[in-house]
Amino acid sequence: AQSVTQLGSHVSVSEGALVLLRCNYSSSVPPYLFWYVQYPNQGLQLLLKYTTGATLVKGINGFEAEFKKSETSFHLTKPSAHMSDAAEYFCAVSPPGYMNTGFQKLVFGTGTRLLVSP
Amino acid sequence: NAGVTQTPKFQVLKTGQSMTLQCAQDMNHEYMSWYRQDPGMGLRLIHYSVGAGITDQGEVPNGYNVSRSTTEDFPLRLLSAAPSQTSVYFCASSYLRPVEYNEQFFGPGTRLTVL
Repeated sequence: AQSVTQLGSHVSVSEGALVLLRCNYSSSVPPYLFWYVQYPNQGLQLLLKYTTGATLVKGINGFEAEFKKSETSFHLTKPSAHMSDAAEYFCAVSPPGYMNTGFQKLVFGTGTRLLVSP
Repeated sequence: NAGVTQTPKFQVLKTGQSMTLQCAQDMNHEYMSWYRQDPGMGLRLIHYSVGAGITDQGEVPNGYNVSRSTTEDFPLRLLSAAPSQTSVYFCASSYLRPVEYNEQFFGPGTRLTVL
């Protein structure tokens, strides 16, 4: 079965420091990959997604992620953290067989809470 | 557009009680789904629907019922609540289009506690 692993339930950075949130997936066929952000007491919001084409994907709020097939990874980065980036981040995959149907039957990772200190 | 709305925001139930979590969207999305979010487990799919009259089970459907009589609404019913159903529930919707041109929108969630 498809699965997503997010290393580290909590990541702490200082304001202005590099943000790196890790995501690895298990699939014999490259899936579609997503990063979502959840601010406190809110629903999830799409940050970025990888479907096909360029492996470096740019999203909102200065975040980007790189799809590395050889490492089965889709890590999320941001060069300089801002206090407003403090939130929970979820990596998700769309399992093979659903990618072209319009179904977004997503499988989520367990989430990483990003803490940003002044 | 209001987007995806969910009611209530908070609910406390006693074991064995029933209730319906409401979800509505005003974007004319064909696809709607329910997820539950538990600490350390991420979001898990409960049920989903690809249009009025069509529903199917997700990863954790036991204890929940759904129906889809209109495009806009997708209620989730708990027939006999159990403490294991204490969770935060999210409704989401999207068009039935290829993922490249699509995005799933999430509601603000309903926090349910079953005593």
